[in-house]
Amino acid sequence: LAKTTQPISMDSYEGQEVNITCSHNNIATNDYITWYQQFPSQGPRFIIQGYKTKVTNEVASLFIPADRKSSTLSLPRVSLSDTAVYYCLVGTDIYNQGGKLIFGQGTELSVKP
Amino acid sequence: EAQVTQNPRYLITVTGKKLTVTCSQNMNHEYMSWYRQDPGLGLRQIYYSMNVEVTDKGDVPEGYKVSRKEKRNFPLILESPSPNQTSLYFCASRTVGSNQPQHFGDGTRLSIL
Repeated sequence: LAKTTQPISMDSYEGQEVNITCSHNNIATNDYITWYQQFPSQGPRFIIQGYKTKVTNEVASLFIPADRKSSTLSLPRVSLSDTAVYYCLVGTDIYNQGGKLIFGQGTELSVKP
Repeated sequence: EAQVTQNPRYLITVTGKKLTVTCSQNMNHEYMSWYRQDPGLGLRQIYYSMNVEVTDKGDVPEGYKVSRKEKRNFPLILESPSPNQTSLYFCASRTVGSNQPQHFGDGTRLSIL
C-alpha cells in the first residue's frame, strides 16, 4: 500500500486558491488517488478521485503529473466553510488490495477572513 | 437517503464494562470498515469486512471484535474497554469494484474512564 505524505497544516484567506500537495512515491500502476474532506466531529466526505492528468468537479480540481508520484488538490476561491482536514488516500479496488485502507494524517486547512 | 448510521453518538463508560457500537448502512454495500481517530494520528483502520461472514484485521485491531451476520450491519464490540480506547470512532461502507469512495457515518465519541 502506497504511503502518503501531506503538509500537516496550511493557512489561507477567503477568496484565494488553495493547493494541497500529497506525495506518494510508491504508488502502484493500478492505484487511484482519492481525496476526502473532514469537518470537526463529522465523518470524512469524498471530494474527488483521479488516476492521471487532471480531474475537475464542482468542488475541486485534482492535478496528477505523468509520474504519478504526487498529486495536488486545488480548491478555487476558498471560503470560511472550507476550513477542514483534507486527506489524500492512494489505493486500488478493495479486492485487489485485500480490504486495507490507509489514511495519512491529513492537512488541516484554516481559512481566515 | 443513503447513509451510514452509528449508535450511540456519545458514550461515557467505565473500564471493563462491555459495550457495542452499532453501524448500519442502507446502500447494500458489500464492504464495511471501522476506524478510530486520535489527535495527531489521523484515521486508523480497526477491522473491515469484505462481505457477510468475512472480516479481517486492520492496523489497530487489539481490544476490538466485530461481526458481520447481515450485509447492512457491522457492530464494533469492546469486550473489556480500557482508557486507551477512548477515541472517536467512524464506520464506513462502500461498494466493491470501480474504485468507489467510502461513505462514513457521523462518528461515535467513546470515553472510557
